[in-house]
Amino acid sequence: GAGVSQSPSNKVTEKGKDVELRCDPISGHTALYWYRQSLGQGLEFLIYFQGNSAPDKSGLPSDRFSAERTGGSVSTLTIQRTQQEDSAVYLCASSLVPGGYNEQFFGPGTRLTVL
Amino acid sequence: GENVEQHPSTLSVQEGDSAVIKCTYSDSASNYFPWYKQELGKRPQLIIDIRSNVGEKKDQRIAVTLNKTAKHFSLHITETQPEDSAVYFCAARSGANNLFFGTGTRLTVIP
Repeated sequence: GAGVSQSPSNKVTEKGKDVELRCDPISGHTALYWYRQSLGQGLEFLIYFQGNSAPDKSGLPSDRFSAERTGGSVSTLTIQRTQQEDSAVYLCASSLVPGGYNEQFFGPGTRLTVL
Repeated sequence: GENVEQHPSTLSVQEGDSAVIKCTYSDSASNYFPWYKQELGKRPQLIIDIRSNVGEKKDQRIAVTLNKTAKHFSLHITETQPEDSAVYFCAARSGANNLFFGTGTRLTVIP
């Protein structure tokens, strides 16, 4: 079946502009995660939508970052007033249910470049 | 929250040799420990995982060991091949919480 998809695959923007990154999880997956991966770095947790529970937003680096998940499926990560340090690959992942022993399946990522 | 540390950050081995990557975690309630492999330019993919009720798990050339008392777990790759070259991430989770990832190990297998 179809895996996790993300769009766009690449995004170049100017400093100060807002960007929206989209994630389509695997159908039926109730948990969705966003991570940021800077060049050569690890996976920095941003936000976690855990089914019907309130999202875990503890990883969002500033109030310029926000995310929503409408209808329990597609998620959008929004970065307002982008800064050069926001340049990174943004990865989305989904799992069948939150936590437990459930595998997280990653999308291909969106490479964001802020000029 | 959970804190996962991973060592080494880079590792080079000759083809055919073994590679070992080690991780420690801080939350004694963590009960699930997956390992992900990320090839250059690709998405991370699960290669093996272990639950807290077992001490070791093997899958062909890869194995993972878990020491709950010491709160550390390791990935072992035997008979390494060039296609094993990638970045490997360990992770830990307790209950319904988020996965916490280590900082990654860049493995290079020299032909």
